[in-house]
Amino acid sequence: LAKTTQPISMDSYEGQEVNITCSHNNIATNDYITWYQQFPSQGPRFIIQGYKTKVTNEVASLFIPADRKSSTLSLPRVSLSDTAVYYCLVGDFYNQGGKLIFGQGTELSVKP
Amino acid sequence: GAGVSQSPSNKVTEKGKDVELRCDPISGHTALYWYRQSLGQGLEFLIYFQGNSAPDKSGLPSDRFSAERTGGSVSTLTIQRTQQEDSAVYLCASSLVQGAWDTEAFFGQGTRLTVV
Repeated sequence: LAKTTQPISMDSYEGQEVNITCSHNNIATNDYITWYQQFPSQGPRFIIQGYKTKVTNEVASLFIPADRKSSTLSLPRVSLSDTAVYYCLVGDFYNQGGKLIFGQGTELSVKP
Repeated sequence: GAGVSQSPSNKVTEKGKDVELRCDPISGHTALYWYRQSLGQGLEFLIYFQGNSAPDKSGLPSDRFSAERTGGSVSTLTIQRTQQEDSAVYLCASSLVQGAWDTEAFFGQGTRLTVV
């Protein structure tokens, strides 16, 4: 499974756009990129997944450059309720048995 | 139920006792995962079940830890001779692994284990 590196923490203010970048230099051809969100005292929750270019859903956007060695999770106009830890996962989840390995994540703190 | 259910939600046990943690995955989900999360830390992978395949036990920290999944549904994580360092939140997740694009894992609320 590809090793991922992301900032340990980030601060933002309500209404701002937040971009969290994850580095995965040794991503393999069959690997997909997935992001999870974890609120305090809860289990993680799937946010978004992508392979290349851009993916957007009702929660976030995921930008993946052509070389796929990094990805950026974009949260538009954050609110206090977006304060959470965000995890980037990379892997060929199906062919490698589906094992999900979480790193340390990025702790996002949104302030009023 | 609609989601992954874990029981008990909280468990306090004495050092040296055995504990069993239960996970009821979403009906029909073929994959089931156990993780451990210590206070302020990330998720530590413990074990993974996928259908009828042999479980991936590569994350179990010692032979005091074991898990089984009966009938491809309910799973039990057993910790024998508990130690204080076993204190953590134990999270279970399940997913319907259909292909690379369908790997969303649904997590339960966890069991908070405290060893005193």
